[in-house]
Amino acid sequence: NAGVMQNPRHLVRRRGQEARLRCSPMKGHSHVYWYRQLPEEGLKFMVYLQKENIIDESGMPKERFSAEFPKEGPSILRIQQVVRGDSAAYFCASSPLAGDQETQYFGPGTRLLVL
Amino acid sequence: GQSLEQPSEVTAVEGAIVQINCTYQTSGFYGLSWYQQHDGGAPTFLSYNALDGLEETGRFSSFLSRSDSYGYLLLQELQMKDSASYFCAVRDENTGGFKTIFGAGTRLFVKA
Repeated sequence: NAGVMQNPRHLVRRRGQEARLRCSPMKGHSHVYWYRQLPEEGLKFMVYLQKENIIDESGMPKERFSAEFPKEGPSILRIQQVVRGDSAAYFCASSPLAGDQETQYFGPGTRLLVL
Repeated sequence: GQSLEQPSEVTAVEGAIVQINCTYQTSGFYGLSWYQQHDGGAPTFLSYNALDGLEETGRFSSFLSRSDSYGYLLLQELQMKDSASYFCAVRDENTGGFKTIFGAGTRLFVKA
């Protein structure tokens, strides 16, 4: 059973470009969470999605950031018009049950560097 | 507000026991989790406490006191590979959401 997959692992963008990060949850998992981590800091919750639904996006900036988890395909975190402050590691995690957030399985992350 | 506090770093020697503390302040508390993260790696789930007491999983144990809003992770028989960052986390269903709040992490350095 493959784990949580994220791609790309590293992404370099110039200011003003768009960044698109993909996350495929573990097989059988229908709940996805996105986190951002700055160097030497903890993970900051961004958004929690189920298939075709955004359940909690309270940690996601209201501008430039969006997330989706379509019925088919991976979850996508999209950052439009990136700025240097968006440089961070972005992790997604998945869990099998809505209430089982205690056991979240993390992907390897996408390191975004904005030049 | 929601917050978790843990020491920024801890140093211990191989074979020793180390305790990493975590105090939390949150509404709608459902339990305390611990994650390990090696440099450049992804967080890995270690343990979860919903009730007061000690949970043991091999060399790692985790403790929770809900009345004190406090928990700790205990690592025994330390090995060099245990050098990593350790995060405590709580789930907060305030506002009806399912947000997981992570502490800033404790960097553990294991010396030979």
